[in-house]
Amino acid sequence: RKEVEQDPGPFNVPEGATVAFNCTYSNSASQSFFWYRQDCRKEPKLLMSVYSSGNEDGRFTAQLNRASQYISLLIRDSKLSDSATYLCVVNTLSSGGSYIPTFGRGTSLIVHP
Amino acid sequence: DAGVIQSPRHEVTEMGQEVTLRCKPISGHDYLFWYRQTMMRGLELLIYFNNNVPIDDSGMPEDRFSAKMPNASFSTLKIQPSEPRDSAVYFCASSPVAGGQETQYFGPGTRLLVL
Repeated sequence: RKEVEQDPGPFNVPEGATVAFNCTYSNSASQSFFWYRQDCRKEPKLLMSVYSSGNEDGRFTAQLNRASQYISLLIRDSKLSDSATYLCVVNTLSSGGSYIPTFGRGTSLIVHP
Repeated sequence: DAGVIQSPRHEVTEMGQEVTLRCKPISGHDYLFWYRQTMMRGLELLIYFNNNVPIDDSGMPEDRFSAKMPNASFSTLKIQPSEPRDSAVYFCASSPVAGGQETQYFGPGTRLLVL
């Protein structure tokens, strides 16, 4: 089983739609969580951190469910510019005391007119 | 700040040749990460450094790969000898704190093609 799993999609939605992605992780000792966005042929860039209490940034809402070991990203009122691949990142404390980031393989979102 | 700088941006080489990828992290960032991204395997962490010291290299695929960080502003990832299966995009990223609560800032990547 992969440490961090995402539905690769693609999710094909019309403008204005609401879309949600999930990301599951296998290591219960994971400490911190993030969503990154990666445009085609570009580098990943931080979209938002994911806090235990959930957090919102404009049209984007991220949530963490530690009991079920998943994080989610909700995008409301989708824009054409939201088309990208969304990567979840899970940081886990290793036995050596360092944090190891593990990326999911990403979920592709296509927003069409 | 110029962000994380990587060079070259593209590299085409023949199997068996040595390849050296370079990275300049953001000034003041103590952590530097090397990743490899392919369609098949996604983004994989190869190695990361804290204050120029390699902390975890468990992701380095084999002895053909080596990474160094001689000072706080420069790191290299070397592949010798290169093989076609090494073709990928190699990203360097830096962070002020090791992934715990701070984000990683990625460079634009080096697209490597080994023929």
